[in-house]
Amino acid sequence: GIQVEQSPPDLILQEGANSTLRCNFSDSVNNLQWFHQNPWGQLINLFYIPSGTKQNGRLSATTVATERYSLLYISSSQTTDSGVYFCAAKRSGNQFYFGTGTSLTVIP
Amino acid sequence: NAGVTQTPKFRILKIGQSMTLQCAQDMNHNYMYWYRQDPGMGLKLIYYSVGAGITDKGEVPNGYNVSRSTTEDFPLRLELAAPSQTSVYFCASSPSSILFFGPGTRLTVL
Repeated sequence: GIQVEQSPPDLILQEGANSTLRCNFSDSVNNLQWFHQNPWGQLINLFYIPSGTKQNGRLSATTVATERYSLLYISSSQTTDSGVYFCAAKRSGNQFYFGTGTSLTVIP
Repeated sequence: NAGVTQTPKFRILKIGQSMTLQCAQDMNHNYMYWYRQDPGMGLKLIYYSVGAGITDKGEVPNGYNVSRSTTEDFPLRLELAAPSQTSVYFCASSPSSILFFGPGTRLTVL
């Protein structure tokens, strides 16, 4: 399968700060997604981004498929951004491989 | 649309008991998945289905079974529960590329 590594494992930010989360994957992929798991455990899809750059409000993501990494940018962080951020990658076939996540805490 | 629904939300089992975790989706998605999430870890795929009548094993299928008799439903069966199956179980569906997750079932085996 694909090895997916995320960094940093933990991040504490002051409200209003910016951050960059990284996802490295060991093989070429045709599907890369970012998820936010809120403190209540719900997993929400943030981006489907196998390549290129997308933005949604204060969040944006970039995937450089040829170099096997993806970045999630959070700007002007808010306490509601707290939770765990996962990336998931898929090559051919139907199996997604998840990283172990970045745990983000935003303090007021 | 209710999206992906899972029942129950919580369950405590004794070692050796059996149970079925229910998952349903109303989005007419062909692909459905069962994942487990252990504390501090990512999600591991247990089983998946690409359509009614078709299922396949993921990374960690031992101790579990699934069926897919309809597009909407994808139940996960635990036979002879073991403490190692204590986890949070997530069901997901997908039309092709994007995963949509249910709220999860927290299972404790004592």
